[in-house]
Amino acid sequence: GAGVSQSPSNKVTEKGKDVELRCDPISGHTALYWYRQSLGQGLEFLIYFQGNSAPDKSGLPSDRFSAERTGGSVSTLTIQRTQQEDSAVYLCASGDRDFGGELFFGEGSRLTVL
Amino acid sequence: KQEVTQIPAALSVPEGENLVLNCSFTDSAIYNLQWFRQDPGKGLTSLLLIQSSQREQTSGRLNASLDKSSGRSTLYIAASQPGDSATYLCAVASYGGATNKLIFGTGTLLAVQP
Repeated sequence: GAGVSQSPSNKVTEKGKDVELRCDPISGHTALYWYRQSLGQGLEFLIYFQGNSAPDKSGLPSDRFSAERTGGSVSTLTIQRTQQEDSAVYLCASGDRDFGGELFFGEGSRLTVL
Repeated sequence: KQEVTQIPAALSVPEGENLVLNCSFTDSAIYNLQWFRQDPGKGLTSLLLIQSSQREQTSGRLNASLDKSSGRSTLYIAASQPGDSATYLCAVASYGGATNKLIFGTGTLLAVQP
């Protein structure tokens, strides 16, 4: 597709379960970001992948959160042992430059932890 | 640490009015600044990207200005329409530190009344 694709669009899970969220960036984009947007809050940076360099994981809120990017394309954000405070919209963005380029966002994955 | 603030938090105007949204940032060592709009339940749509060497960018009825020295950007919307109703977010790409993440403001919720 032409844009950033995220799946699932909605996920409802029980507290303590693991979830995986997927992001397909725009083809050829080297930069990929994950952000989290909680109800009524701004966007919170989680992790940034740039080309073949080590990712910037400085925004991950706890060791329950991890992300990988395979083959420089698709990325998966994994949340282990989910908690109710993990409920949020998880947004993925990609850019055509390692830094400073225009970012294009997906529609997000809305996670609800019961 | 870069902090981004947007004023006002919410704005309601009648259709046809020109309006200005404000974004301020604390660290002037920025690489670029990007304005986005977000419709309810949707991802972010890029509106304008201003590089640090630029003073303004225009797209249709939108004009964004950047004054790095004062740490300010404005988004001017001419002849507002009900379809402009959305949350408008500014985001700053900063130099320095170990991160290349965008720092987002908390947004301005705009309602254009028909």
